[in-house]
Amino acid sequence: DVKVTQSSRYLVKRTGEKVFLECVQDMDHENMFWYRQDPGLGLRLIYFSYDVKMKEKGDIPEGYSVSREKKERFSLILESASTNQTSMYLCASTKQYGQPQHFGDGTRLSIL
Amino acid sequence: KNEVEQSPQNLTAQEGEFITINCSYSVGISALHWLQQHPGGGIVSLFMLSSGKKKHGRLIATINIQEKHSSLHITASHPRDSAVYICAFQGGSEKLVFGKGMKLTVNP
Repeated sequence: DVKVTQSSRYLVKRTGEKVFLECVQDMDHENMFWYRQDPGLGLRLIYFSYDVKMKEKGDIPEGYSVSREKKERFSLILESASTNQTSMYLCASTKQYGQPQHFGDGTRLSIL
Repeated sequence: KNEVEQSPQNLTAQEGEFITINCSYSVGISALHWLQQHPGGGIVSLFMLSSGKKKHGRLIATINIQEKHSSLHITASHPRDSAVYICAFQGGSEKLVFGKGMKLTVNP
């Protein structure tokens, strides 16, 4: 089975901090995604990557950046955390177009 | 207007009931996904379909491309089916467009 692992289940940070959320998948998947999930809004795509060092903006990239230096790892970076970035963050991966996405367990991030 | 509409938004059922969750979308798609999210956050892909019907255990997913509508049916529902069920469509890329989800509670 595909395993998508997010580094933290819960994280509390302060306003202005630089925050790193890590995601690792173990099945050699090309595509990786970062989403945030908020009540009443559903899942929204922040960034996705279709190959090492390749990235594409999703629907809500403002305030975020990403890094994919190795195929298995996709990092989400909050450059200067703000309270409106308090949310559930979910990572997903997929091998290729037409395959279902595999999700991590999520990181519940609180910015104080 | 959200491109993906799910109905109902919340549903409470008794154990053993037959449950139907609906999803309507507004654009042409290449595939429709049904996902399940349990309390605690993890999301599991249940089905991906582009036509007809798929069945897995007590779950059945159907899609009508002409009417831009999909349904997820749960037969003989059980409290462990309590979760949020999310519908998402896929167009011509890797990106998914998600509905807001439907919270199902099955009481014993």
